[in-house]
Amino acid sequence: AQRVTQPEKLLSVFKGAPVELKCNYSYSGSPELFWYVQYSRQRLQLLLRHISRESIKGFTADLNKGETSFHLKKPFAQEEDSAMYYCASNSGGYQKVTFGIGTKLQVIP
Amino acid sequence: EAGVTQSPTHLIKTRGQQVTLRCSPISGHTSVYWYQQALGLGLQFLLWYDEGEERNRGNFPPRFSGRQFPNYSSELNVNALELEDSALYLCASSFVGEQFFGPGTRLTVL
Repeated sequence: AQRVTQPEKLLSVFKGAPVELKCNYSYSGSPELFWYVQYSRQRLQLLLRHISRESIKGFTADLNKGETSFHLKKPFAQEEDSAMYYCASNSGGYQKVTFGIGTKLQVIP
Repeated sequence: EAGVTQSPTHLIKTRGQQVTLRCSPISGHTSVYWYQQALGLGLQFLLWYDEGEERNRGNFPPRFSGRQFPNYSSELNVNALELEDSALYLCASSFVGEQFFGPGTRLTVL
């Protein structure tokens, strides 16, 4: 079974500091990986997915198959980045996505 | 464009009761997904419906069931409620690709 691990429940950083939200997955094949974000009082929404290899709101994530990781990074944190971030994995399309428990990012002004 | 809607917003039930949650997908979306978000457990996949058929289900007992209607809206039914069923139940819809989430229904079982 797929498993997605987000080791940190809470990550606090100062504004302007670099951010790295960790995610490791267990699927041995070629999974699709995603980061979802939930801002306060808003719905869960897709932030980025590894196949698009794009940067959204300054965030990037690189798939490292050797380390089975998909860490989310941003060089300079902004206050508006404060939110819950969920890493997710899917072994075959969008049909059965496995989510991690989420990391709450708190950016301190 | 209207997003995914869910009803009710909040629900309080007692152990042993039955509950029905509803979800209306984005217009044009044929797939509906249900997730349970219990405290400290993240999102757990429950069910996937597409074109009126159940396509996949997560590791939940049979008392969790649902259906999808011809207009692609969906219901999630939970029978014989247990205390640990207390959670936020999220619905998402998609056509092909990205899932779009609703606001959720908060179920409390006393």
